[in-house]
Amino acid sequence: DGGITQSPKYLFRKEGQNVTLSCEQNLNHDAMYWYRQDPGQGLRLIYYSQIVNDFQKGDIAEGYSVSREKKESFPLTVTSAQKNPTAFYLCASSSGQGNTGELFFGEGSRLTVL
Amino acid sequence: DAKTTQPPSMDCAEGRAANLPCNHSTISGNEYVYWYRQIHSQGPQYIIHGLKNNETNEMASLIITEDRKSSTLILPHATLRDTAVYYCIVRVAGKAAGNKLTFGGGTRVLVKP
Repeated sequence: DGGITQSPKYLFRKEGQNVTLSCEQNLNHDAMYWYRQDPGQGLRLIYYSQIVNDFQKGDIAEGYSVSREKKESFPLTVTSAQKNPTAFYLCASSSGQGNTGELFFGEGSRLTVL
Repeated sequence: DAKTTQPPSMDCAEGRAANLPCNHSTISGNEYVYWYRQIHSQGPQYIIHGLKNNETNEMASLIITEDRKSSTLILPHATLRDTAVYYCIVRVAGKAAGNKLTFGGGTRVLVKP
């Protein structure tokens, strides 16, 4: 089935360690996104990519890095520079064709920094 | 993208219609209204979107006022599985906008038996 796969679902790390979250999609979508969600809050955009080898900062990019070497993959690295990395991270993708604006989300990765 | 205002929470009875309001008084002519919902600890799910005409699909109906300053999402027969946070979002259409959606706090809907 087509969709977006995020891994791992749960991740625990020590403070000061870099962490990379995986996001893979087989929907042939051009655009991919990373959002962060804190308890009881809405989603905030970290980074997005409209095409391979290109990406833009979202509203809260500091302390995060991404790459888009393949159309299917958009990994997110949470660096030690991110002050409060514990959160629920959501990856999404959308088609570059048309204006539907529909985003397809993965099931999320819950990161806990000890 | 225009800002939206939603009530933080609402309850509704199972089997009854749930009417979720959203104000977007600063919406511009080329901005669409989108609705997503997020069931606890899952990724958000697209429900419906519209520009100025009312829209209906298998999940819900979207009613947009004539001046487009507000809209209502209608779940015609709410079930317990409709308990979720519902997000109303407005965004500019077009590929240049990057389909970038800004999610606010949403409305936490609790469907009660």
